[in-house]
Amino acid sequence: EAGVAQSPRYKIIEKRQSVAFWCNPISGHATLYWYQQILGQGPKLLIQFQNNGVVDDSQLPKDRFSAERLKGVDSTLKIQPAKLEDSAVYLCASSLVRGPWGGYTFGSGTRLTVV
Amino acid sequence: SQQGEEDPQALSIQEGENATMNCSYKTSINNLQWYRQNSGRGLVHLILIRSNEREKHSGRLRVTLDTSKKSSSLLITASRAADTASYFCATVNYGGSQGNLIFGKGTKLSVKP
Repeated sequence: EAGVAQSPRYKIIEKRQSVAFWCNPISGHATLYWYQQILGQGPKLLIQFQNNGVVDDSQLPKDRFSAERLKGVDSTLKIQPAKLEDSAVYLCASSLVRGPWGGYTFGSGTRLTVV
Repeated sequence: SQQGEEDPQALSIQEGENATMNCSYKTSINNLQWYRQNSGRGLVHLILIRSNEREKHSGRLRVTLDTSKKSSSLLITASRAADTASYFCATVNYGGSQGNLIFGKGTKLSVKP
């Protein structure tokens, strides 16, 4: 089966600019997650979708981050305006089973550098 | 929030040797999962062990879980250079409202040919 697709692979922007990341999960996976992974750390959950509804965005910095999942398939994560501390890899994952009761499938991520 | 902590932070071994990584967590869990991440890539799910299981095998991987000590270990036998990667444990709070995977900081494994 095709994996989780993410684009772009790399992005370099200046602080205060905006940026958007795209994710296409595995077909049939209703649950989609965005994680932020800062260098040297484990991934941190930003937001979880079930179909096109948000089920957990408690750790999403909503003053600058936003995410949507139209039609319950593709998802975009946006940062506006970006800060230096947003430099990280943004990982998208999907799962067949709602919640962490099975394994997640991750995309290769988007590496964001804010200068 | 609960977080697994891996130990050691870094491990360097020779090809053919066994590699053991440990994970400790703080509160009761429903399951514990191990993931591998190659440099510059996404995470790959390796194995899931449920709270009522004590040991699980998958190929050269062996995972144990000791809920009384709130710890798990991942053993990779007969390691290969291709096993070089970071390994993360991820835990789930038992009975959490939604339940999400929370990752530790990982163990960086280097296998030298």
